[in-house]
Amino acid sequence: QVQLVQSGAEVKKPGASVKVSCKASGNTFSSDYMHWVRQAPGQGLEWMGIIKPNGGSTSYAQKFQGRVTMTRDTSTSTVYMELSSLRSEDTAVYYCTNSSSWYPTLPYWGQGTLVTVSS
Amino acid sequence: QSALTQPASVSGSPGQSITISCTGTSSDIGSYNVVSWYQQHPGKAPKLMIYEVSKRPSGVSNRFSGSKSGNTASLTISGLQAEDEADYYCCSYAGISTYVFGTGTRVTVL
Repeated sequence: QVQLVQSGAEVKKPGASVKVSCKASGNTFSSDYMHWVRQAPGQGLEWMGIIKPNGGSTSYAQKFQGRVTMTRDTSTSTVYMELSSLRSEDTAVYYCTNSSSWYPTLPYWGQGTLVTVSS
Repeated sequence: QSALTQPASVSGSPGQSITISCTGTSSDIGSYNVVSWYQQHPGKAPKLMIYEVSKRPSGVSNRFSGSKSGNTASLTISGLQAEDEADYYCCSYAGISTYVFGTGTRVTVL
């Protein structure tokens, strides 16, 4: 059974950065595509980006270009999402989720990490 | 990349069928047969209900079905049940290694 376990809630000030982790178990982490999706309070799902297997190349939604960095550590089966220059609009629950191919078939999700940006 | 367009809300009585539309463009839904659908209950992570337009994961009720025509995908829930009350989101590949979700639809069981 695949499990994605994310790091705990964070409170950050505007302008700061946050780094959220997602540790995978029970799957073929090395061959999985890992996505990050966020959901602001009362809002819909928003795709942020993907980190691919085989070298860890990334692709980000245009909205987050220049502010987001996704990395993966195959030795610990963990992926990371770092978002910089935080503003209040970045307050959201951040989810990691995986797919076995480039198809947007996302059967497993982390529990979500609440990031609150407040002065 | 703009979000795919879904109706904000859809409602139905128990036992009825409802359909949720998801409208994109020729650059996303229209170009790829990989639309997926997710159900989300309050405070929970999304759950995969349909993938590759019309396929159901193991364990998902056959009351859920998906289809696509042109730039629009649809999710149909037949025999509506109280437990189906939730938010539903579509998702598509949008080219150049990017993806896009729908705006979301709140399903209410009357």
